Amino acid sequence: TQLLEQSPQFLSIQEGENLTVYCNSSSVFSSLQWYRQEPGEGPVLLVTVVTGGEVKKLKRLTFQFGDARKDSSLHITAAQPGDTGLYLCAGAGSGGSNYKLTFGKGTLLTVNP
Amino acid sequence: EAGVAQSPRYKIIEKRQSVAFWCNPISGHATLYWYQQILGQGPKLLIQFQNNGVVDDSQLPKDRFSAERLKGVDSTLKIQPAKLEDSAVYLCASSLRGSGRADNEQFFGPGTRLTVL
Repeated sequence: TQLLEQSPQFLSIQEGENLTVYCNSSSVFSSLQWYRQEPGEGPVLLVTVVTGGEVKKLKRLTFQFGDARKDSSLHITAAQPGDTGLYLCAGAGSGGSNYKLTFGKGTLLTVNP
Repeated sequence: EAGVAQSPRYKIIEKRQSVAFWCNPISGHATLYWYQQILGQGPKLLIQFQNNGVVDDSQLPKDRFSAERLKGVDSTLKIQPAKLEDSAVYLCASSLRGSGRADNEQFFGPGTRLTVL
């Protein structure tokens, strides 16, 4: 069974601060996705990283996939209240030809104005 | 483009009762997924359909859960009988491509929040 550990579990910061959340596993993943989920809604895909060492930027969000494709990080610069939500990482394992997603438990981020 | 639709949004039942959830995926999406998200945890895949065939149901508790996608479009997930530990949000997702790609994007519905008393 492939497991993804996310840290921290909870994070409360002030507007304008920077933060990093982590997603770690002992398993290798074919790709890793980051989602954001708001209360009462389903997760929304932010980014997919596929290549070991890959870095992707989405405005103030920077995503990195570890060289060994076992871990990933999400860095937010100058956080805003609109960034508040549950951040989930999900690894796509290779079960033959079916890349089933395994989700971490998430990091609940609160950005206070 | 309309998103994934789910109903009902909320359901409260007593243990040992039965319940059914409905999902209508994005038009043209061949793959449909049902996930269970218990409070404080990430979504866990219950079952995955490719058109109207089951691709993966390895984590579906088949003694009480069942799902179907008869015409390859919308789907229903049923629990009979429900237990207290089934209290969770049930998410439906769909994707355009099959899951045979590592960069496959899934689009999620808003979920159905089930409370079992």
